[in-house]
Amino acid sequence: GESVGLHLPTLSVQEGDNSIINCAYSNSASDYFIWYKQESGKGPQFIIDIRSNMDKRQGQRVTVLLNKTVKHLSLQIAATQPGDSAVYFCAELSGGYQKVTFGTGTKLQVIP
Amino acid sequence: DTAVSQTPKYLVTQMGNDKSIKCEQNLGHDTMYWYKQDSKKFLKIMFSYNNKELIINETVPNRFSPKSPDKAHLNLHINSLELGDSAVYFCASSQGQALHRFGPGTRLTVT
Repeated sequence: GESVGLHLPTLSVQEGDNSIINCAYSNSASDYFIWYKQESGKGPQFIIDIRSNMDKRQGQRVTVLLNKTVKHLSLQIAATQPGDSAVYFCAELSGGYQKVTFGTGTKLQVIP
Repeated sequence: DTAVSQTPKYLVTQMGNDKSIKCEQNLGHDTMYWYKQDSKKFLKIMFSYNNKELIINETVPNRFSPKSPDKAHLNLHINSLELGDSAVYFCASSQGQALHRFGPGTRLTVT
């Protein structure tokens, strides 16, 4: 969805705990979703993706959940590590995947 | 072997100047993009090119003109720079299922 000028949401998590980052997407026609991680001073990097015909997908330490009924996406990070500290974006794709809309981002701070 | 590269990494210039940012990808992707990231980290697509043809132009002022000399390059030229143009500009590329690979970004500061 579009930014409405809000400050960047921040999630602080103790090292070793699990993190859950949430995202509400805007377009019910979106059929492909991606989570990106952006470290300070770098470009966004792919973490995990999911298609609309799935409701869960697991990667290494990460799980993405998709609830199309309420247009909600979440990213779960297991055993959060200091290297996980970054800004996380969800992205929704539609229109033959040429149109990509990024969410507003969530800053994850891992407390050692 | 950098997949998506941008130059320069930092660009400081005065209002009214014209500047260009260059982007190159060596992934063989057929689609390239320019994104603008503001101070609140919001990422917004500006342009998308597929095989050198413009396919997305998201209500960007016409002071911004992308140029794609070949499918491995997408440069961004900005005329008459304004203070509000200060941001980080990211180039990205994709092939097929739109998994974007992003460049390292160019931090533009207009004074």
